[in-house]
Amino acid sequence: DQQVKQNSPSLSVQEGRISILNCDYTNSMFDYFLWYKKYPAEGPTFLISISSIKDKNEDGRFTVFLNKSAKHLSLHIVPSQPGDSAVYFCAATRGGADGLTFGKGTHLIIQP
Amino acid sequence: ETGVTQSPTHLIKTRGQQVTLRCSSQSGHNTVSWYQQALGQGPQFIFQYYREEENGRGNFPPRFSGLQFPNYSSELNVNALELDDSALYLCASRDSLNYGYTFGSGTRLTVV
Repeated sequence: DQQVKQNSPSLSVQEGRISILNCDYTNSMFDYFLWYKKYPAEGPTFLISISSIKDKNEDGRFTVFLNKSAKHLSLHIVPSQPGDSAVYFCAATRGGADGLTFGKGTHLIIQP
Repeated sequence: ETGVTQSPTHLIKTRGQQVTLRCSSQSGHNTVSWYQQALGQGPQFIFQYYREEENGRGNFPPRFSGLQFPNYSSELNVNALELDDSALYLCASRDSLNYGYTFGSGTRLTVV
């Protein structure tokens, strides 16, 4: 039973345009959500997070939106740059000793 | 010390053997967790240690065990290795104030 789902295995976006990565979750007990970026042969790198009490968090080119009623979050990257090409993982946690529950990832490809 | 360092980077073991993977966390990060990432999947939570005690565990059998030491280093031990244990093992740490775990680059374990 996958509690965090990223339904798009890959996404191709033109450089300079907006990249939108989506994530759905089923566990209503999750109260904190994170996005990680992973290059080959490296560990995941933390990008941005959002608490369940908020609906938006922004950090530079990255914005995360949370829709609790739909159990859906999205990561917006504007403008997309070649260095953004990587696998993006959505993760969620109930906090405390729970660890992170990850989706399967979306491979973002930025085309020149 | 900054960052999370894991050793070794690659390892090949025979089915039935035991393995110990090591991790050195960032100074001040008193929470460390371990994840298993199979090919094409997101990382899966194995367990978490806080101040040298296990305080959270995912859906992994007891042959997966760990230790955390006062110097911010930790170990993951796997007994009676099975072919399905072949994966990338990631160590992640954080301090008490943030949910944004810092990940190491991982140890690629192959069981033959």
